[in-house]
Amino acid sequence: KAGVTQTPRYLIKTRGQQVTLSCSPISGHRSVSWYQQTPGQGLQFLFEYFSETQRNKGNFPGRFSGRQFSNSRSEMNVSTLELGDSALYLCASSLEGRTETQYFGPGTRLLVL
Amino acid sequence: GQSLEQPSEVTAVEGAIVQINCTYQTSGFYGLSWYQQHDGGAPTFLSYNALDGLEETGRFSSFLSRSDSYGYLLLQELQMKDSASYFCAVWEYGQNFVFGPGTRLSVLP
Repeated sequence: KAGVTQTPRYLIKTRGQQVTLSCSPISGHRSVSWYQQTPGQGLQFLFEYFSETQRNKGNFPGRFSGRQFSNSRSEMNVSTLELGDSALYLCASSLEGRTETQYFGPGTRLLVL
Repeated sequence: GQSLEQPSEVTAVEGAIVQINCTYQTSGFYGLSWYQQHDGGAPTFLSYNALDGLEETGRFSSFLSRSDSYGYLLLQELQMKDSASYFCAVWEYGQNFVFGPGTRLSVLP
């Protein structure tokens, strides 16, 4: 089975721009979670989608949003980028009822200048 | 609120046994997971404890004590490839997944 894929792998943006990141989960996984990883704050939960519905949300401003499509693929959008948004954005998928076992993609490294 | 604490660094030699502790404060959770992350890589799932006690998966074992708000990951027969960061994570009621700050393990020859 193919693993979780994320595109793009690297991205450079400037302050004020917006960005969309994409995640394709493992086939059969309907739950997709997004995380932000930085050296200072570690791994922080952004949100989780299941069957096209946001099931849970972390403590991030409204500039961070996401959605999930009927094929379980998910996108994450960050509007009005700030320097502090520079991070590794990780997507993880899991089977229904097995949230404790998350399969992570390679991540998208975002640099905001 | 919730918080997890782990030692920031641990060093051990090849062939040794090392224990990485995780203490947590949470209002309620389903279980405690452990993930491994090599530099430049993505976290990979290692183990999960829903109930108190020991779970063994090859060279790795994980333990949970809900009464003590404490868990640990035990790595046996350390190998150089085990050098990585290790994260504990709680799956909270309400489906929020919270990660600890991570422990960087260095395995020396």
